[in-house]
Amino acid sequence: GIQVEQSPPDLILQEGANSTLRCNFSDSVNNLQWFHQNPWGQLINLFYIPSGTKQNGRLSATTVATERYSLLYISSSQTTDSGVYFCAVVLNTDKLIFGTGTRLQVFP
Amino acid sequence: DAGVIQSPRHEVTEMGQEVTLRCKPISGHDYLFWYRQTMMRGLELLIYFNNNVPIDDSGMPEDRFSAKMPNASFSNLKIQPSEPRDSAVYFCASSFSGSGRPPTDTQYFGPGTRLTVL
Repeated sequence: GIQVEQSPPDLILQEGANSTLRCNFSDSVNNLQWFHQNPWGQLINLFYIPSGTKQNGRLSATTVATERYSLLYISSSQTTDSGVYFCAVVLNTDKLIFGTGTRLQVFP
Repeated sequence: DAGVIQSPRHEVTEMGQEVTLRCKPISGHDYLFWYRQTMMRGLELLIYFNNNVPIDDSGMPEDRFSAKMPNASFSNLKIQPSEPRDSAVYFCASSFSGSGRPPTDTQYFGPGTRLTVL
């Protein structure tokens, strides 16, 4: 089956720093989403981005479908950005396959 | 909209008991998904429905698990009998497909039910 790998697995930042999270997938996909799971466990949609670039405030994402990767950029990180970031892909079915996640800790 | 609603938020039960988890999707969404999250296996899809019909239940771990969607605004996931290894957070999600499949919109997740089987 498709492999969805994220890097780095863990990331520790000081408030104000920028970061880039990567998601690699092993097959062509119809859909890719980025989620943030906050420390309380809630999964929050960040981006629906099968291709191209999108921006939302301090966050932006780029997916290069032909090269099978997506990047999530976090600028001027805040302590509230802490949590686990997942990318998830959809193949030619309706199933969302989750990556392994990147655990981010932002310290003041 | 209130988003996807799940109940209960926490469930503690003893091995062998029946457990029922409930989900109300976002109104107007035609897809509903059940996921399980554990430390060992991460987030995995158990089953999903389209227009109340189960489409793929290949992720359901074994016959002890069953899920139904009697109408567009309710689904439940049952575990009978429950075992300690079923302890996990169970998420429900819904999405809207528009004019065709696969879903063209994002999946919206509920807050999850944290299940502990003693």
